Amino acid sequence: AQSVAQPEDQVNVAEGNPLTVKCTYSVSGNPYLFWYVQYPNRGLQFLLKYITGDNLVKGSYGFEAEFNKSQTSFHLKKPSALVSDSALYFCAVREGGRGSTLGRLYFGRGTQLTVWP
Amino acid sequence: DVKVTQSSRYLVKRTGEKVFLECVQDMDHENMFWYRQDPGLGLRLIYFSYDVKMKEKGDIPEGYSVSREKKERFSLILESASTNQTSMYLCASSGGRGPNQPQHFGDGTRLSIL
Repeated sequence: AQSVAQPEDQVNVAEGNPLTVKCTYSVSGNPYLFWYVQYPNRGLQFLLKYITGDNLVKGSYGFEAEFNKSQTSFHLKKPSALVSDSALYFCAVREGGRGSTLGRLYFGRGTQLTVWP
Repeated sequence: DVKVTQSSRYLVKRTGEKVFLECVQDMDHENMFWYRQDPGLGLRLIYFSYDVKMKEKGDIPEGYSVSREKKERFSLILESASTNQTSMYLCASSGGRGPNQPQHFGDGTRLSIL
């Protein structure tokens, strides 16, 4: 069965400092990994995805994520945080393969990122 | 850009009412999904659909049903609303059969059952 864990409910960081939001996953086949961001009273916005290839994936708003197969992790990173990055972040996984559940995503519970000035 | 539109941002209904939440996407996507989001529980999948007139149960289908009569529209129905269905409801869509397509979300409907 597929699952995602986001071990931190909250991450606090000062503006200008690097940030990391952690995600670990469990799938039996090849993982397809996604990060989403949610601002207050809005839906989720797609940030980036890992399908195959380079372990470092670049996405929107200066975010990137590092895929580590041996540690089954897909941590979200940004070199210099902005106050406007404060939001709820979700990691999601989908298992590659055939079958009717091909489109399903399994989400983590979310990590609230707060960047203070 | 993909646009997923949910018919209401806020909705207040009474216990026992039949409630309809509507979702429309404009990108000819095959796949559509309904989630509910509750604090501390993340997103939970209620139902999804891979084609017109087709539906599959997600993780928490009890108390809900869905309808997909047209490709662009996916409706969530609360047959007899209860207070424990007070939540944020999110609709999403994605294209194709490949696993690398991201889901695109609407802005959500915040539903209160009194």
